[in-house]
Amino acid sequence: EAQVTQNPRYLITVTGKKLTVTCSQNMNHEYMSWYRQDPGLGLRQIYYSMNVEVTDKGDVPEGYKVSRKEKRNFPLILESPSPNQTSLYFCASSPRATYQETQYFGPGTRLLVL
Amino acid sequence: GNSVTQMEGPVTLSEEAFLTINCTYTATGYPSLFWYVQYPGEGLQLLLKATKADDKGSNKGFEATYRKETTSFHLEKGSVQVSDSAVYFCALSDGGSQGNLIFGKGTKLSVKP
Repeated sequence: EAQVTQNPRYLITVTGKKLTVTCSQNMNHEYMSWYRQDPGLGLRQIYYSMNVEVTDKGDVPEGYKVSRKEKRNFPLILESPSPNQTSLYFCASSPRATYQETQYFGPGTRLLVL
Repeated sequence: GNSVTQMEGPVTLSEEAFLTINCTYTATGYPSLFWYVQYPGEGLQLLLKATKADDKGSNKGFEATYRKETTSFHLEKGSVQVSDSAVYFCALSDGGSQGNLIFGKGTKLSVKP
């Protein structure tokens, strides 16, 4: 089944404790992206990757890192989480980064930073 | 900059009622327009899209027409079902290399039997 998977689905952590949220897609997509969803704000892009080894900042990149060593994986790293990073996170992928492409979303990771 | 504005929710309807969720956008150039749906506890999935002016996207009884003259992409369904209860997001993609989707804030729809 074609899908985007994320792990973990739920995470509670404390301020400053490094964490990684994994994202994997099995559709051979070139483009991958991370969004965060906050009440009243909709979804906002954190980072994106056009292809392996090519990543760039989205609209809200502060406090996050990413890497794209393999085509299928795009982990999101919070090196020193803070309470304002409490949010619902979505990974997405699409065949290419063109404006007509549909993005396919993972099921989400709900993060609480205490 | 580019932006999407959609009607505030929540919207509560009875089964078989007519649904309209308004969406307007601001963008340079010729964006593609999307409606995504998020069912409770799930990720977003594409409902429909339109990639050029006057295109109509349709799926599962939902429709939306890309109106460049009014910069709108309103979502409609003639007869909603309880299973349509979800959050609906209007979004645009402006063709930049970022491949970014610009989302509206979402509209929560509840359909009562």
